Order: sequence, then C-alpha cells, then structure tokens
Amino acid sequence: AQSVAQPEDQVNVAEGNPLTVKCTYSVSGNPYLFWYVQYPNRGLQFLLKYITGDNLVKGSYGFEAEFNKSQTSFHLKKPSALVSDSALYFCAVRDVDTGRRALTFGSGTRLQVQP
Amino acid sequence: GAGVSQSPSNKVTEKGKDVELRCDPISGHTALYWYRQSLGQGLEFLIYFQGNSAPDKSGLPSDRFSAERTGGSVSTLTIQRTQQEDSAVYLCASYGTSGWGTDTQYFGPGTRLTVL
Repeated sequence: AQSVAQPEDQVNVAEGNPLTVKCTYSVSGNPYLFWYVQYPNRGLQFLLKYITGDNLVKGSYGFEAEFNKSQTSFHLKKPSALVSDSALYFCAVRDVDTGRRALTFGSGTRLQVQP
Repeated sequence: GAGVSQSPSNKVTEKGKDVELRCDPISGHTALYWYRQSLGQGLEFLIYFQGNSAPDKSGLPSDRFSAERTGGSVSTLTIQRTQQEDSAVYLCASYGTSGWGTDTQYFGPGTRLTVL
C-alpha cells in the first residue's frame, strides 16, 4: 500500500523568509511524487513532480522540492515566501511498480504567509 | 479544451435524490480520474478510466456510486439515493500519456455537492 504523511496541518512564515512544507511517503516500489496547491474554492494546481533523475526538482512559482530516498521525503521549499503563496498544499505519491495509477494524497498543509 | 472542466460547479440536493456530475477532460488525454475531497480532509480516490480498459472502481465507497465514460472523453459520476455524508467536493482529473505533462494529473475546478 502507498501512503503520504504531511505532519504539519499549518505552516506560518513571514514574507521574504524561506519556507518548507514537509512530506514523507511510503511505497513498496519506486515512487512518482507530486506537489499540488489549492487556492480557496479552486481545484488543484500542479506545482512540480519527481519522476526520475535529479533529486532537486524545480517547479512553478519559484517552488522546488528535494527527493530524498533514504529518508523517504519530498519536502517542498521556496527561498523567499510571498503573501500570495498562502494556500493549501498537497503532496501525492504513485507507486510506479504496482501499475496502479491513482494518486494517494496527504492530508494537506495550510501555508500562511504573513506580510 | 484548455483544461479540465466540470459541471455544475455547485449542486444542492435533498437526501435520497440522485445526482449526476460531469467532467470534460483535456482533449487527447486518455486517462480520467474522480476524487472526493471532504471538508477538512484530503483527497480520496474514487474511480479511474484508461482508454478502453475496464475502469478501476476500487475507490468507490458504495454501490450507490457509479461512473461512466462515453466515447473515451466525457465522464459522468452518478450518486444514487444521496446521503448527507456524500457532501463533498468532487474533483475530476485527466492524465496524458505522451508529450509534456506525461504522468501528471490535471484537475478540474470541482463540483461542490451539498446534500440537505
């Protein structure tokens, strides 16, 4: 079975400071990992993904994430937070080796960036 | 189309009524998913269609839920005899298997279902 944990319900950060949203995963095979963002009353927007290759993945709006296989983590980062980054962030995983294509999502982390 | 579209955006119904939710995937995407997002919770997988293969229905919570995909494009999720616990946002996603965006699911804006 595949699972995702986002240990923080909410992350607060001041504008201009770096931010990190944590994600750990569990799969029996190799993972595909994703980050999505959800703004109020909107659907999920794709931010970035790790499929293979470089462990540091760069995505939309200046976000990046680092795949760490030994720690089974895929934390989302941004060097300098903006107030407009305030939203709900979801980490998701798919176990490539099972052939099951449905994503398993974490419970989400609300990012609040204070001006 | 430019993105995944869903209709209606909001649906209010009475307990016991049937509802149909529609999803138009991105043109050319062969895979389509339905997820459910309940208040304060994450996303729950419901069903997955891939081309002409039999759908993966493993996430459907009960036999009151069904979905079909006509002509490999538009999908309809039907909930019969709705219950208050069915209240949620129902999200549709489509998935490309070639070119840019491969392996990435793109989501529609969702349908907010409220069962009174």
